[in-house]
Amino acid sequence: ETGVTQTPRHLVMGMTNKKSLKCEQHLGHNAMYWYKQSAKKPLELMFVYNFKEQTENNSVPSRFSPECPNSSHLFLHLHTLQPEDSALYLCASSQVPGLAGEGLFNEQFFGPGTRLTVL
Amino acid sequence: GENVEQHPSTLSVQEGDSAVIKCTYSDSASNYFPWYKQELGKRPQLIIDIRSNVGEKKDQRIAVTLNKTAKHFSLHITETQPEDSAVYFCAASIRSGGGADGLTFGKGTHLIIQP
Repeated sequence: ETGVTQTPRHLVMGMTNKKSLKCEQHLGHNAMYWYKQSAKKPLELMFVYNFKEQTENNSVPSRFSPECPNSSHLFLHLHTLQPEDSALYLCASSQVPGLAGEGLFNEQFFGPGTRLTVL
Repeated sequence: GENVEQHPSTLSVQEGDSAVIKCTYSDSASNYFPWYKQELGKRPQLIIDIRSNVGEKKDQRIAVTLNKTAKHFSLHITETQPEDSAVYFCAASIRSGGGADGLTFGKGTHLIIQP
């Protein structure tokens, strides 16, 4: 599959479980993002990685732990989640604009998401 | 931080008519405004975007307008078709050189095209 892929597509876990979500981008981008999409709420930015370095943590609880080993892969490690964490977790990637702001727009390409249910 | 408001939450129009979705943003430093379309069970996909140095942009039946002074931007879809039915999200970000910028999204508009 091309573009941005995510695994698993569906995940059911208990509150005491530890699981990980995986995202891979095949677009040669150098920035990756995690977003959370809950019912009747806007997409919420969780984390931003720029050249493998975390540049933004949008006040996300520590039970969510991101990892970006290289510019093509992004993980979200989950532990001791709550039922209210049930949501669609979307990964996205983009190409960082040049230092002078030139180049491509910050178009973000999304993966298909992981539908997470916490029991 | 940035706050994006989007209206209406649901919009029903007759096939062939036009649809307009409006968004406002709070941070005057925001300079990039994309619109995403999300069909049921699918990922959000970019349909059009605009930078702050442009007032209007068109792509076939889709257009976006931006009023920086009033801090609002709108999506216009003309000659609507059944395949336009989806949830549309506006977003805003501060695009800075050399850095990755997360997007702040509106709550979405469910567009329904009536046959």
